[in-house]
Amino acid sequence: QVQLQESGPGLLKPSETLSLTCTVSGDSITTSSYFWGWIRQPPGKGLEWIATVEYTGNINYNPSLQSRLTVSRDTSENNFSLRLVSVTAADTAVYYCGRILRHRKWFDPWGQGTLVTVSS
Amino acid sequence: QSVLTQPPSVSGAPGQRLTISCTGSTSNIGADFDVHWYKQLPGRAPKVVIYANSNRPSGVPDRFSGSKSDTSASLAITGLQAEDEADYYCQSYDSSLNGPVFGGGTKLTVL
Repeated sequence: QVQLQESGPGLLKPSETLSLTCTVSGDSITTSSYFWGWIRQPPGKGLEWIATVEYTGNINYNPSLQSRLTVSRDTSENNFSLRLVSVTAADTAVYYCGRILRHRKWFDPWGQGTLVTVSS
Repeated sequence: QSVLTQPPSVSGAPGQRLTISCTGSTSNIGADFDVHWYKQLPGRAPKVVIYANSNRPSGVPDRFSGSKSDTSASLAITGLQAEDEADYYCQSYDSSLNGPVFGGGTKLTVL
């Protein structure tokens, strides 16, 4: 049974860099049937796609975040990470990682999520 | 502003039938990309209840059904139960964004 777990600091100051890692167990991030993604949800608001890591290593970014965002993967550790620079209060959100079925493109399962708060 | 449009809230009495709409455009739902529906309880991660327009994962009651037509999709719930109270999100894929897109979410209240 595949499981995803987000990890990273929960509190940042404005202008700092957000770094999160999603560790996958029960499946390989190089399996051709799946992609892997980051999604975030500001408190009380809806879901926003951040980026997708394909099994080939190709990465697609949400254009609204691309200028501040770097996503990478570590196949030896079976995890993928995001790095968002120059954070502001608007980046405060629960950050989720999820597995995406490659052909039909739905997220299942999701990690439990990790709350990141940006505050001075 | 979400790419897909959902009503902010719906409500119904136990036993009733409810539908939640999801409206997109020609670059997502209208481009023949699948629509998926998620249920989110407070403080929990979303969980798929309908995938690929009308398919139910194992464990999801057959009271849940989905449909898609042109640039829109709908989630229907019959025999409404208290446990159905949650936020529901639709999701598709957008060719302009080259990535997944979500609706703004609908809060379902069981009266």
